[in-house]
Amino acid sequence: AQSVTQPDIHITVSEGASLELRCNYSYGATPYLFWYVQSPGQGLQLLLKYFSGDTLVQGIKGFEAEFKRSQSSFNLRKPSVHWSDAAEYFCAVGSPIYNNNDMRFGAGTRLTVKP
Amino acid sequence: ETGVTQSPTHLIKTRGQQVTLRCSSQSGHNTVSWYQQALGQGPQFIFQYYREEENGRGNFPPRFSGLQFPNYSSELNVNALELDDSALYLCASSPRLADETQYFGPGTRLLVL
Repeated sequence: AQSVTQPDIHITVSEGASLELRCNYSYGATPYLFWYVQSPGQGLQLLLKYFSGDTLVQGIKGFEAEFKRSQSSFNLRKPSVHWSDAAEYFCAVGSPIYNNNDMRFGAGTRLTVKP
Repeated sequence: ETGVTQSPTHLIKTRGQQVTLRCSSQSGHNTVSWYQQALGQGPQFIFQYYREEENGRGNFPPRFSGLQFPNYSSELNVNALELDDSALYLCASSPRLADETQYFGPGTRLLVL
């Protein structure tokens, strides 16, 4: 079964600095990969997704992620962080074979933004 | 297009009770999934419903059950509540079974005392 690891539980960056959140997945074939953001007390908002094709994916709010098959990674990046980006970020893997009926999420990375 | 809504927003129950959580999917979305998110954890897949039939289940006991209705609403029922059932319960809908993107509701926060 697929699984996701987010190695960083908590990251603090200064406003305006660049950001990279790490995600490693385990899956036998090319998976569906997602990044979601969750603000306190809120549900999940989809930032971006990868299914196939171009390995560099652009998302909302200026985020991008790169799929690297050789490293089983799907890291999320943003060139300049804004204070409003402070939230919990989740990487998730879905299965094209099973129509995503067993989505697996990482434990999340909490982002703090310093003024 | 309306989003996914869930009710109630918060709920307090005691151990052994039963609870029903509700979700209203976006119009036209015939697939709904339910997730449990314990404090400080990522969401865990409970089950998925497609056209009113269960279509996949995670590692949750049978006391977690669900229903999906033709009007794009669904329910999550949990019997014999345990303290560990305290969590945020999220539903997510998709327009088609083969659609890779899910749209999440804001969740129901359940506290079991």
